[in-house]
Amino acid sequence: EPEVTQTPSHQVTQMGQEVILRCVPISNHLYFYWYRQILGQKVEFLVSFYNNEISEKSEIFDDQFSVERPDGSNFTLKIRSTKLEDSAMYFCATVVRGDTQYFGPGTRLTVL
Amino acid sequence: DAKTTQPPSMDCAEGRAANLPCNHSTISGNEYVYWYRQIHSQGPQYIIHGLKNNETNEMASLIITEDRKSSTLILPHATLRDTAVYYCIVRSGGDNYGQNFVFGPGTRLSVLP
Repeated sequence: EPEVTQTPSHQVTQMGQEVILRCVPISNHLYFYWYRQILGQKVEFLVSFYNNEISEKSEIFDDQFSVERPDGSNFTLKIRSTKLEDSAMYFCATVVRGDTQYFGPGTRLTVL
Repeated sequence: DAKTTQPPSMDCAEGRAANLPCNHSTISGNEYVYWYRQIHSQGPQYIIHGLKNNETNEMASLIITEDRKSSTLILPHATLRDTAVYYCIVRSGGDNYGQNFVFGPGTRLSVLP
């Protein structure tokens, strides 16, 4: 059983458009993480989020990116103005037991 | 950068044990060894983790050397569905929820019929 689900499974957008990727936890989790994986490359950390605040972010997570938990349940990643190089799989993760992170199935973002 | 070194690829015959090595010579005392795998483009799947003792669960066994500088993930009876990229990750544990996992390139395990 997945601890998180992600929507949409695949998002196609035009360069310069805004996209919002959603992470839906199964239980009431407090810690969330976003990672991305460009095709053929490593999984890269973007940001961690706890108690409605960013706790850590990587160099990739620039001003084009933002995260929030608008309704206390869903956790979203917004990319304000997408670029071609934003095309990747985006994975949400959360902590269930101890400090082990469990990853969602991912959203494939394609920027044209 | 990842603190671990893994072979880029390995093959294993179906039904046999798959032994995946990992070197982490610079591991520090409070760092755990985690193993994840990624099947095709799915999200990384947690397998097992340990600090210094050997660990076993329903998926795999983790053998950590006494000096903790290396470890081996053992899939006792590999199936075709175990074909995946396996990641060995060193990370501090405990109440360290904010710290991310640093993924390296991993080992691509191919289970052959």
